[in-house]
Amino acid sequence: GAVVSQHPSRVICKSGTSVKIECRSLDFQATTMFWYRQFPKQSLMLMATSNEGSKATYEQGVEKDKFLINHASLTLSTLTVTSAHPEDSSFYICSQTENTEAFFGQGTRLTVV
Amino acid sequence: GIQVEQSPPDLILQEGANSTLRCNFSDSVNNLQWFHQNPWGQLINLFYIPSGTKQNGRLSATTVATERYSLLYISSSQTTDSGVYFCAVEPSNTGKLIFGQGTTLQVKP
Repeated sequence: GAVVSQHPSRVICKSGTSVKIECRSLDFQATTMFWYRQFPKQSLMLMATSNEGSKATYEQGVEKDKFLINHASLTLSTLTVTSAHPEDSSFYICSQTENTEAFFGQGTRLTVV
Repeated sequence: GIQVEQSPPDLILQEGANSTLRCNFSDSVNNLQWFHQNPWGQLINLFYIPSGTKQNGRLSATTVATERYSLLYISSSQTTDSGVYFCAVEPSNTGKLIFGQGTTLQVKP
């Protein structure tokens, strides 16, 4: 299946700063990637769909100005958490689909202090 | 929107025991996948199974799409099977997945 690489795996940042998370497709050109968020002891929730060369589409309740998504190439999508607050502390994970099957990156555990 | 319910929410097994995890969904789906989330958070693909039955070693899965449920069987469980098992469905051909709440499995030696 598709190989998705996500970086960093863990990041701690100060409140008010921005953090960029990268999601790379290593063996497949992905016109679409997906970003999910998982709070502790909870399930995964889709945040947004990243579209190569066009604007991302966000799920209801997700602030597009806070979670900036860029998908400038067929192999890289980035999620930037702007002006991070402690409530943004979560596990962020990206995915892409190959032949309709979803494959996930390793995830990024963000802690905002 | 579609609802995905997994049961049981928690399961404790003795090593060597068998178990069945269930996933019910409230509407027809395009696809269904089972994942194992390891302690580091990584999601491991177990099965891509919109319908029918598949087996992979000690694991097997069955999806009955007409009755809107899927089952994951774990036989001869091992401590390394511990973790959270998620069922996720794709309601339409968009690639977006809706996850159940997961089953947390603990296998004791």
